Amino acid sequence: AQSVTQPDIHITVSEGASLELRCNYSYGATPYLFWYVQSPGQGLQLLLKYFSGDTLVQGIKGFEAEFKRSQSSFNLRKPSVHWSDAAEYFCAVGDGNAGNMLTFGGGTRLMVKP
Amino acid sequence: DSGVTQTPKHLITATGQRVTLRCSPRSGDLSVYWYQQSLDQGLQFLIQYYNGEERAKGNILERFSAQQFPDLHSELNLSSLELGDSALYFCASSATGFGYTFGSGTRLTVV
Repeated sequence: AQSVTQPDIHITVSEGASLELRCNYSYGATPYLFWYVQSPGQGLQLLLKYFSGDTLVQGIKGFEAEFKRSQSSFNLRKPSVHWSDAAEYFCAVGDGNAGNMLTFGGGTRLMVKP
Repeated sequence: DSGVTQTPKHLITATGQRVTLRCSPRSGDLSVYWYQQSLDQGLQFLIQYYNGEERAKGNILERFSAQQFPDLHSELNLSSLELGDSALYFCASSATGFGYTFGSGTRLTVV
């Protein structure tokens, strides 16, 4: 069965600093990978997704992620964090053989210092 | 507004009771997914319906059931509620594949 690990439960960065959120997955085949963001009291918004092709994926709000098969990782990055980026971030892997269900990591809560 | 509508937004009920959560998918989306988000279990897939038929099942308890109606809205029924069922329940919809759009969720509190 697939699984997703987000090693960092909390991360605090200063506004304007760069950000990297880690995600490691376990999946038998070529994974479908996703990053979602959840603001307090809100649903989940898709930031970006990887299905195949270029391993560097661009998303919304200036985020990007890099798929590294050898490391089973799909880390999320942003060059300069804004205070509005404070939220919880979830990495997920999709199983196309099980009705497109998503398996989520435990999430990383990002705090941004002024 | 994501286009996926969930009602009610908040629900407080007592143990042993039954509740129904409702989801209206985005216009044109045939698939509806239900997820549970709790502090101890995180985000977990419950069940998926596609055009009225159950397509996939995850960690859904036997006390829980769902259905999708001809107008494509879906309902998640939770019965014999326990304290541990307190969670955020999300609905998502998609036209095809993984193009999910999530609703803003129903927060269920069992007291």
